[in-house]
Amino acid sequence: GQQVMQIPQYQHVQEGEDFTTYCNSSTTLSNIQWYKQRPGGHPVFLIQLVKSGEVKKQKRLTFQFGEAKKNSSLHITATQTTDVGTYFCANRGYALNFGKGTSLLVTP
Amino acid sequence: KAGVTQTPRYLIKTRGQQVTLSCSPISGHRSVSWYQQTPGQGLQFLFEYFSETQRNKGNFPGRFSGRQFSNSRSEMNVSTLELGDSALYLCASSQSSGVLLNTEAFFGQGTRLTVV
Repeated sequence: GQQVMQIPQYQHVQEGEDFTTYCNSSTTLSNIQWYKQRPGGHPVFLIQLVKSGEVKKQKRLTFQFGEAKKNSSLHITATQTTDVGTYFCANRGYALNFGKGTSLLVTP
Repeated sequence: KAGVTQTPRYLIKTRGQQVTLSCSPISGHRSVSWYQQTPGQGLQFLFEYFSETQRNKGNFPGRFSGRQFSNSRSEMNVSTLELGDSALYLCASSQSSGVLLNTEAFFGQGTRLTVV
């Protein structure tokens, strides 16, 4: 897979605030996958995006794939304490090429 | 349907020793990949096995090796352990291999290896 850069590295929000993490690549990506890893846990697949400009929603989570297929974002509306964890984007080639992740901390 | 099972969950080894980690993929999954996770380097791909053949290998020294058995179970071996090998080793299984099918990966709980 292609290398992907993810920002920010950390984000601390109050419960109820929104959160966004961004994933960028210098080259066109064939796909983007998003995973969530809870503290002490393992990565869990959230979603895959493959089409230019694609937008997918899962309850309070909105995933976008850029028109040029070089960037993606994950937006969480009205965060809850259950959203705590590290969110990774990854490009799948013969392997998953992960970004460094964004660690989200939610304070009640 | 049982998930991906990794054993052991925790391991403490001494420098210079070798270690073998095991991964049982989801039933029916033929692709098994291994990743190393550390705070500094994040998640890094080690290698992938599909139908008992190593399909791809990451940028790790030859001390890291693996194999896959006919029942798709996989083992990973690290020889001559170094302090820097301390990490969470994650195994992921997929139904198929390759970029064309854009397959999601199911991760096991991981093996936490500490080298002292």
